[in-house]
Amino acid sequence: AQSVTQLDSHVSVSEGTPVLLRCNYSSSYSPSLFWYVQHPNKGLQLLLKYTSAATLVKGINGFEAEFKKSETSFHLTKPSAHMSDAAEYFCVVTSGSGGYQKVTFGTGTKLQVIP
Amino acid sequence: NAGVMQNPRHLVRRRGQEARLRCSPMKGHSHVYWYRQLPEEGLKFMVYLQKENIIDESGMPKERFSAEFPKEGPSILRIQQVVRGDSAAYFCASSLKTGVHEQYFGPGTRLTVT
Repeated sequence: AQSVTQLDSHVSVSEGTPVLLRCNYSSSYSPSLFWYVQHPNKGLQLLLKYTSAATLVKGINGFEAEFKKSETSFHLTKPSAHMSDAAEYFCVVTSGSGGYQKVTFGTGTKLQVIP
Repeated sequence: NAGVMQNPRHLVRRRGQEARLRCSPMKGHSHVYWYRQLPEEGLKFMVYLQKENIIDESGMPKERFSAEFPKEGPSILRIQQVVRGDSAAYFCASSLKTGVHEQYFGPGTRLTVT
């Protein structure tokens, strides 16, 4: 069994300040973890992924995330928010045995950036 | 290299009609996933298919919904006798392989049931 918890449904930051979007997961197997971004009325775009290599993962648009096994967390950060970062962000976990890995999405965090 | 394509982008159906949503995966991808996104909610997994096989349909409603991914042609999500509660955005994603390989998402089909 696996699950993903995005701890905040809404986050509001001022432009130029740091962004922290929190994600905790549980999994019976070694997971792969992803962050996706969805702008209004658009599809989802991959920001970054963790697949058992380096625990600090750098993604597009200045985002990064750190896999912390002891805390079962994969929080998304960015040093300085830009207006274009306003969107919804989804944390995703995949894990499983054999050839099939189940995919579970978090419920999403809406990021508001205040000018 | 075209991305994942979905059509139609917008679909309006009256209650009781059938809705057919199509998804063409990225070239070379043989794994397709369907998700539903209700207003103000996250994505809910519906079904995972490989060519000619349904691998996991644990997220599909038991009635009226079906999916296929034939040997040739796009994957189809079919909703029979649509009801107002089926109004949502339906996203398709494809991947090269399952698991560690990221999914690439289509732009979605927004279904409105009147």
